[in-house]
Amino acid sequence: QKEVEQDPGPLSVPEGAIVSLNCTYSNSAFQYFMWYRQYSRKGPELLMYTYSSGNKEDGRFTAQVDKSSKYISLFIRDSQPSDSATYLCAVMKTSYDKVIFGPGTSLSVIP
Amino acid sequence: EADIYQTPRYLVIGTGKKITLECSQTMGHDKMYWYQQDPGMELHLIHYSYGVNSTEKGDLSSESTVSRIRTEHFPLTLESARPSHTSQYLCASSDRDRGLNEQFFGPGTRLTVL
Repeated sequence: QKEVEQDPGPLSVPEGAIVSLNCTYSNSAFQYFMWYRQYSRKGPELLMYTYSSGNKEDGRFTAQVDKSSKYISLFIRDSQPSDSATYLCAVMKTSYDKVIFGPGTSLSVIP
Repeated sequence: EADIYQTPRYLVIGTGKKITLECSQTMGHDKMYWYQQDPGMELHLIHYSYGVNSTEKGDLSSESTVSRIRTEHFPLTLESARPSHTSQYLCASSDRDRGLNEQFFGPGTRLTVL
């Protein structure tokens, strides 16, 4: 079983839509949950992270972790064409541990 | 934008050639990493380094080798390229003293072996 799983998409939404990107993980020892965004022909960059369960909001982005179901979500409100990218979820057991990445979900926001 | 650079960005090469993928960072980070990324697949860690003269193999078996003679430089070498090595190679670094092991990635090298 893979440690982190994501629906690869592609997901295509109209501009202004609310986007929900999801991830599941297998090991309950993971405590840190991250979302990386990767634009075409670029390397991934950290978008936001959360520790343990709960929500974290940053502008139009909200990250949500449900440790009881081992489920991670990223919500994007008022999606923009500039949000078109691949979104990779990632997990760690500790803050200095190696990072385990999911395969990413490709998102296209159509103007 | 992260100060981490990779060259070349694209490389098409014949089977059996020796190649070196370059990676440099100007952030003074101790940790550096090489990942392999294929379409629809998760990033696989193939090598990492925690500092000068420190190199370790990652989770994914790889025929490549790395060296870390200088803090800022972490090249990856394939002695004899094969078509199975065709992939995107991403270099990353992180700062041991930060609270989170945030990875800063370079733009990647897309390698095609014919």
